Amino acid sequence: QTVVTQEPSFSVSPGGTVTLTCGLRSGSVSTGYYPSWYQQTPGQAPRTLIYSTNTRSSGVPDRFSGSILGSQAALTITGAQADDESHYYCVLYMGSGIVVFGGGTKLTVL
Amino acid sequence: QVQLQESGPGLVKPSQTLSLTCTVAGGSVISGSDYWSWIRQPAGKGLEWIGRIHTSGDTSYNPSLKSRVTTSVDTSKNHFSLKVNSVTAADTAVYYCARWSFKTANFDSWGQGTLVTVS
Repeated sequence: QTVVTQEPSFSVSPGGTVTLTCGLRSGSVSTGYYPSWYQQTPGQAPRTLIYSTNTRSSGVPDRFSGSILGSQAALTITGAQADDESHYYCVLYMGSGIVVFGGGTKLTVL
Repeated sequence: QVQLQESGPGLVKPSQTLSLTCTVAGGSVISGSDYWSWIRQPAGKGLEWIGRIHTSGDTSYNPSLKSRVTTSVDTSKNHFSLKVNSVTAADTAVYYCARWSFKTANFDSWGQGTLVTVS
């Protein structure tokens, strides 16, 4: 069973920078897993922020960026705003049509 | 911009079969590079990928659910469907349909979600 790991929670001050990570319990995340990132606010469907490691989806502010940091995929928010307070999920493509969601990170802006 | 809409019973009895349909508007399920997917989210918990289907009939499923899940596509109605059999309370969740773009490797369109309660 593949386990994709994310920090359960994180906090950032308004205007600050935060990096959320997405890892594998066994192994390293590379671009070959095509990591994507989704933002979900309560009661809403998720929306794509980043796909294929570092490509911003249409309409996503450039304060959101994706990368590989060491053995993990990363989502960095630069200049956090109050409405960035959400849950963030990463998805890894494992091959053979299988995708796995990370457990999600609850980001608090305060 | 494709739009997806889930429909189906909101209440299912234990041991019975959960059935949902996702109608595609503004686009076609007959898309060479897209896969039609199901994802669920129990209340207060994270997202779980259930499975996906291509109009070619190619399917992939979450190994933990594979024995109970079936997906299908109806090109004449431009919709795709999910069945989960032998449901228990653990299957209570908001169920989302979504499009997985093969080109960009991400879920680029989502339905609004529908709550299914097993009780």
